[in-house]
Parts: sequence; C-alpha cells; structure tokens
Amino acid sequence: DSGVTQTPKHLITATGQRVTLRCSPRSGDLSVYWYQQSLDQGLQFLIHYYNGEERAKGNILERFSAQQFPDLHSELNLSSLELGDSALYFCASSVGVSSGGQETQYFGPGTRLLVL
Amino acid sequence: AQSVAQPEDQVNVAEGNPLTVKCTYSVSGNPYLFWYVQYPNRGLQFLLKYITGDNLVKGSYGFEAEFNKSQTSFHLKKPSALVSDSALYFCAVRGGNSGGGADGLTFGKGTHLIIQP
Repeated sequence: DSGVTQTPKHLITATGQRVTLRCSPRSGDLSVYWYQQSLDQGLQFLIHYYNGEERAKGNILERFSAQQFPDLHSELNLSSLELGDSALYFCASSVGVSSGGQETQYFGPGTRLLVL
Repeated sequence: AQSVAQPEDQVNVAEGNPLTVKCTYSVSGNPYLFWYVQYPNRGLQFLLKYITGDNLVKGSYGFEAEFNKSQTSFHLKKPSALVSDSALYFCAVRGGNSGGGADGLTFGKGTHLIIQP
C-alpha cells in the first residue's frame, strides 16, 4: 500500500457527461501528479500540482482540468467525455517539487473510467 | 523532449534463472531513472531509482538496475527469477532540466515479464 488513495475505483458513464476523480496524497506529500493509462497511448503525464498551485502540464486535453485543495487532496475533472477517454487514471504523490526531479512518485490504485 | 524505449513487449524466463528487462532513454541534462512494476488491476509500485553515484542500484524484492551513461541504458535485473515476479514493468525517466523538476515522468510502453515454473 503506497499511502495514496483514489476514489472511486470504477466509474461508468456516458459520452458527453462530466466526472470528477479524487486523490488523497501520502501524509506530508505536497505534490500530486495525474497520469492516464490507455492501451493506445500508454502511461501519459497529465498535470502536476504543488501545494495548491499548478506547476506543470503534460498531455492534458482542454476538456480536462484539475485542482488541489488546501488539505492537499486533488480532483481531476473530465468533461464532455468521449469514448476515447476510457482509461485508467492514476494519481501519484511526492514530497514536493523543491527537491527537484529526483523524488520518487508513489502511485495510487487508480480509477478505471469507462465511457459508453 | 525526453523518451524511453523498452524494446521487448514480453520477456519469458524460467524460474530460478536470471532475468533482464531492457530500457534505453533519451533526455537532456542528467537523467533521473526509475523502474515501476504493475500487477493486474493494481497501481504502479516503485522498485528502484538512479539519481547519481554508483551505477548499480539495488531496489525492492531483489531487483537491481545498471545505469550505463555511454549506452543511455538502465536495464533491470534479478539474479534468480520467481514466478511471483510475473508482472508488467515500466521504465521511466525525468530529465534534470525538465521544467525545474516539475514535469511528470515519461514512461516506456512497458514489458510483460513472464516467469515459467
């Protein structure tokens, strides 16, 4: 158990809908990263938040957004969902960007999203 | 841009034999290299990382990896494979120059490791 929690574990929804995925980082970690894992694209970095502020964006669609709250949990919002958004969404946490790229990221169990 | 290549989709090894899972990378600046393992319907578990120093890095569950700067490789190894090592293995890189350390990891496509009894 990495100490990172994600809810829900599974989510089934329809095209055009909007969903919110939730992530709680390990105790003491200030950085939260979101990744998408799909058969087509593999594991892709989406976005990074550090202590409530956005720090870096990866291959995140404009229909997707995220935020990190004062208690450091993070939410990934996916809107106008398409069939191709079906994937496993992971969050990971690390101590904080101040330590640079050396930090180990610890991954949660993921949320499996199915868009029908 | 940084990238990771895992040239083998699948590696088959008999239990008790040594195993190697290959990884090569491309990155600007000093590389930070990671190996993760994913079991079915589970998240990624951290195995080991190379930051600097000794080229042979030891990690969890008896795994180790050898960093080779001239060949830009970071192969994962284990002296004696167990059936329970069967899983999907990912190599990942983060460049020392990438966004001041803020960027996420860049992953390879993964290698299925199958240990046969």
